[in-house]
Amino acid sequence: GENVEQHPSTLSVQEGDSAVIKCTYSDSASNYFPWYKQELGKRPQLIIDIRSNVGEKKDQRIAVTLNKTAKHFSLHITETQPEDSAVYFCAASKGENYGQNFVFGPGTRLSVLP
Amino acid sequence: DTGVSQDPRHKITKRGQNVTFRCDPISEHNRLYWYRQTLGQGPEFLTYFQNEAQLEKSRLLSDRFSAERPKGSFSTLEIQRTEQGDSAMYLCASSLALGGEKLFFGSGTQLSVL
Repeated sequence: GENVEQHPSTLSVQEGDSAVIKCTYSDSASNYFPWYKQELGKRPQLIIDIRSNVGEKKDQRIAVTLNKTAKHFSLHITETQPEDSAVYFCAASKGENYGQNFVFGPGTRLSVLP
Repeated sequence: DTGVSQDPRHKITKRGQNVTFRCDPISEHNRLYWYRQTLGQGPEFLTYFQNEAQLEKSRLLSDRFSAERPKGSFSTLEIQRTEQGDSAMYLCASSLALGGEKLFFGSGTQLSVL
């Protein structure tokens, strides 16, 4: 089955710097890749997603890139702010024909230092 | 609140007891998922429903776990003869089928088995 790895497990950056989190997946049939942000004690919330027919997607300060050949996708956060501090999870899904199961990575704890 | 709601928020039980959790998805969502999350890990897939049909179950879901969604609306997850290893956050999520992969999570039920 699908296996999603995520690096780094922890990341500290200074406020205003950029942060990059990388995920790799194993199943080439996966075609949908969301990123979730989970603040302490709160539910995971979708922040951005990308489909396999797109190489990059941006939404204000966050962007996601996808390399299907290498089977990896990355989350980029620019001009980080203290409120970006949270655990970020990537996930992969194979879509409708395969049951729509989502496999999550183990998470990256991002700390933005003021 | 029109989001995914879960009840109870916390459950403490003794080993060997049975517990049941409830999830109410977003009203128009026909897909409902159960995930388990332990500290420092990403959500781990347990099972999902489309309407009232249980379409997929993880191999991790032992015979002690059972989930139902009798009328295609709310769902229950029951754990029989709880073990200490069952201690985790149990997350419910819902989504629309037919191109609506975005998962919306509930706040979870934190289970502690003593």
